[in-house]
Amino acid sequence: QVQLQESGPGLVKPSQTLSLTCTVSGGSISSGDYYWSWIRQPPGKGLEWIGYIYYSGSTYYNPSLKSRVTISVDTSKNQFSLKLSSVTAADTAVYYCAILGGNWYFDLWGRGTLVTVSS
Amino acid sequence: DIQMTQSPSSVSASVGDRVTITCRASQGISSWLAWYQQKPGKAPKLLIYAASSLQSGVPSRFSGSGSGTDFTLTISSLQPEDFATYYCQQANSFALTFGGGTKVEIK
Repeated sequence: QVQLQESGPGLVKPSQTLSLTCTVSGGSISSGDYYWSWIRQPPGKGLEWIGYIYYSGSTYYNPSLKSRVTISVDTSKNQFSLKLSSVTAADTAVYYCAILGGNWYFDLWGRGTLVTVSS
Repeated sequence: DIQMTQSPSSVSASVGDRVTITCRASQGISSWLAWYQQKPGKAPKLLIYAASSLQSGVPSRFSGSGSGTDFTLTISSLQPEDFATYYCQQANSFALTFGGGTKVEIK
């Protein structure tokens, strides 16, 4: 059974770049069956989709974050990553990685990791 | 972007009650809609996809309906483990969007 696990720093300074990695276990990121996605949730607030990547490297980003977001994939490590540049306090959130099925729904989620933006 | 509006933002109900949550899309999305359940401190869980299809393992007391712009999630008989926040998500466009959430609280 496929599992997802987010990892990365829990504290990032304002104006710096937030970097997170999602490790996929129990399945291959290169299977071609899924898109690999990032979603975030500010404390006490709703869900915001950030973007997704296919194993081939093709991406699609939330237009509201597009200028600051990069999602990449490393098939050799069975991982995909998120970089969010020029962060502010408004980027403080729990960040989830998730599997986006071919039907465009989020079938499986990681546990999430809290990233706080503060000096 | 397609905006998703959920109502109510919160609802108080008792065990055994029938609960209905609505989700409205800013433009027609056919049946490209999912519902998720999120409990405190946990990741969301897919309940319903394609507006009315029950995800494997989800109890049959959950049901979804609607198409176009108006959708509903119904819990036919609320159970203690159903107290949570529920989100809708549209999948009609590449730019995926969620509703603001509906918190189902104990009355």
